[in-house]
Amino acid sequence: DQQVKQNSPSLSVQEGRISILNCDYTNSMFDYFLWYKKYPAEGPTFLISISSIKDKNEDGRFTVFLNKSAKHLSLHIVPSQPGDSAVYFCAASVTGYALNFGKGTSLLVTP
Amino acid sequence: NAGVTQTPKFRVLKTGQSMTLLCAQDMNHEYMYWYRQDPGMGLRLIHYSVGEGTTAKGEVPDGYNVSRLKKQNFLLGLESAAPSQTSVYFCASSRTPGQGVNQPQHFGDGTRLSIL
Repeated sequence: DQQVKQNSPSLSVQEGRISILNCDYTNSMFDYFLWYKKYPAEGPTFLISISSIKDKNEDGRFTVFLNKSAKHLSLHIVPSQPGDSAVYFCAASVTGYALNFGKGTSLLVTP
Repeated sequence: NAGVTQTPKFRVLKTGQSMTLLCAQDMNHEYMYWYRQDPGMGLRLIHYSVGEGTTAKGEVPDGYNVSRLKKQNFLLGLESAAPSQTSVYFCASSRTPGQGVNQPQHFGDGTRLSIL
C-alpha cells in the first residue's frame, strides 16, 4: 500500500518559471518529510526537508510547503533552471523509522 | 569526499548464483540502509541497520540477507538469485535521529544488477 503518492509522473516547465511538484501521503503519523533529486545513473541527493511542526522551509531557490490537514506537501523551485531537470522523489517517515518514497516526478526544464 | 560508495556498479548473474553487494560510508553514520528501485517505482527498503552488529527487515526482505560487522560497511547478500531480483540497489546512511531532530539519508550511486 503506497503511503506516499506523487500523482504526476512528469512535469515540463520553461526556464525561469516556477516548478511545483506535489506529493500526498496517507499516514498521519509521518512527522518528517524530504525531497530528493535524482539524475540518471546516480543516487538520490537530499534536497530539502521539513518537520511536521513547520508549514514551510526555504533553501535558496527551493521551498517546501506542508499542509498537514490535507496530508499534502509541495516543492517549489523558483526560478527553474535547465540543471534542475531530474527525477524528484518525495519521502516521509516517522522519526527514527524508515523512509517511505513516492514513485517520483520527472521534471524537464526547457530553455 | 567519498560519502557512500557501492561496489560493484554493475553485475550480471545467472539464476541461482549468489553474490554480495558492498556498501561503505566514511561519515561515521550509525544507520545504514539497503533499498531497491524498480522501473516506475519509488525506492523500497530491503533491510536496515541501526548500528554495528544489528540488522532489521524492511518492506521487501525476502531473498536477501545482510550483515553489519563493521560500522562503516553494510553488506547485502543474494543467496540464490532470481530474475525478480533484477533491479537497481541503493545503499544509504544517516546519523542517528535524535529527540526532535531528523537526519536525512545520504545515498550511494547504486548497483545495477541483472539476473538472467
